[in-house]
Amino acid sequence: AQSVTQLGSHVSVSEGALVLLRCNYSSSVPPYLFWYVQYPNQGLQLLLKYTTGATLVKGINGFEAEFKKSETSFHLTKPSAHMSDAAEYFCAVSAIYNQGGKLIFGQGTELSVKP
Amino acid sequence: ETGVTQSPTHLIKTRGQQVTLRCSSQSGHNTVSWYQQALGQGPQFIFQYYREEENGRGNFPPRFSGLQFPNYSSELNVNALELDDSALYLCASSPAAGNEQFFGPGTRLTVL
Repeated sequence: AQSVTQLGSHVSVSEGALVLLRCNYSSSVPPYLFWYVQYPNQGLQLLLKYTTGATLVKGINGFEAEFKKSETSFHLTKPSAHMSDAAEYFCAVSAIYNQGGKLIFGQGTELSVKP
Repeated sequence: ETGVTQSPTHLIKTRGQQVTLRCSSQSGHNTVSWYQQALGQGPQFIFQYYREEENGRGNFPPRFSGLQFPNYSSELNVNALELDDSALYLCASSPAAGNEQFFGPGTRLTVL
C-alpha cells in the first residue's frame, strides 16, 4: 500500500524567505513521487517529479525536491519565495504497475507569502 | 496543442439526482483518470480508463461509473447523488497508463 503525509496544513513565509514544504511517503514498492500546485478554482499543475535516477529534482518556478529513501521523504524547497507562489501544494506518490499509476495525494499544504 | 478540458465548469444538483461529467483528453493521450477533491482535501482516485477499458478503481461505490469513447474522451456518471458527493471532480489524461498525468480545470459539483 502507498500513502503520503504532508506535515503542516498551512505554511506562512515572508517574501524572499526560504520555502520548505514537507512530504513523507510510505510505499512497499519503488515509488514515483510528485509535487503539484493548485491555484484557487483551478486544476493541478505539475511542479516536478521523481521517477528514477538523480535524487535532487528541479522543477518549474525555481522549486526543487530531494528524494531521500532512508527518510522516506520528498520535501519541496524554493530559496526565495515570491508573492505568486501563494497556492495549495500537494505531494503525491504512485507506482507504474499499481492501477495504471494512480496518484495518491497528501492532504495538501497551503502556502501564504507575506509582503 | 489543446490541453485537458472538462465540462461543465459548475453545476448544482439535488440529492437523489444523477449527473454526468465530461472530459476531453489531451491530443495523443489514451488514458483518462478521474479524481474527487472534497473541500480542503487532497484528490482521491476514482477510476482510470485505458483504451476504453476500466484499468483500476479506487474506494468508491458502484454508483460512480464511467465510460471512455473511441476518441479517448471520457464521462463520469454518478447516480443517486448524496450531499457528500459535493466536490471538485478532476480529470487527468496521460499518453499511456502509468505515465505522467495532465489535469483539467475540474468540474465543481454542488449537491443540495
